[in-house]
Amino acid sequence: GQSLEQPSEVTAVEGAIVQINCTYQTSGFYGLSWYQQHDGGAPTFLSYNALDGLEETGRFSSFLSRSDSYGYLLLQELQMKDSASYFCADPNAGKSTFGDGTTLTVKP
Amino acid sequence: EAQVTQNPRYLITVTGKKLTVTCSQNMNHEYMSWYRQDPGLGLRQIYYSMNVEVTDKGDVPEGYKVSRKEKRNFPLILESPSPNQTSLYFCASSVQETQYFGPGTRLLVL
Repeated sequence: GQSLEQPSEVTAVEGAIVQINCTYQTSGFYGLSWYQQHDGGAPTFLSYNALDGLEETGRFSSFLSRSDSYGYLLLQELQMKDSASYFCADPNAGKSTFGDGTTLTVKP
Repeated sequence: EAQVTQNPRYLITVTGKKLTVTCSQNMNHEYMSWYRQDPGLGLRQIYYSMNVEVTDKGDVPEGYKVSRKEKRNFPLILESPSPNQTSLYFCASSVQETQYFGPGTRLLVL
């Protein structure tokens, strides 16, 4: 089976940098995706790491280390609108597994 | 506009009354999935489909059925709903590793 662990809550101030970690225990790990979900809304795709290393998309970056079974999402220059839940996931060619999500609260 | 649609968005029903939640995508994606989301438990996959007439179980398939007769549609069927199926349901379609989610269906089973 597969399981992805992430912290339940993270709090940071506007303008700061925050890192949301995700560790996984999987058989047949495929890669690591990240999704954002605002309260009451649908999850939206942020990034995907197929290979080890850092992927950057604007203020958001995502990192994967297969040797450590670990990845993270880095959010820079935090804005109030970044307050949301963030999920890591293994897409696994269709049979996807998601972590339980990290609620990020951005304070002024 | 590329999108995934679900209907109904909200549904209150009673135990044992069969219901269907429809899902449709206009992006010609081969992969589609159904998830349920409960507080503190993240998204759990119910069923997924790799193409027309090809479906497989996710992590929590008990009490649910799906069908994929057309590429664009992937309905979720609850033959005999029970209160423990009260949840928020999301349909998604995907291309490569990117999943596009529908707006969600809030289901309450009394």
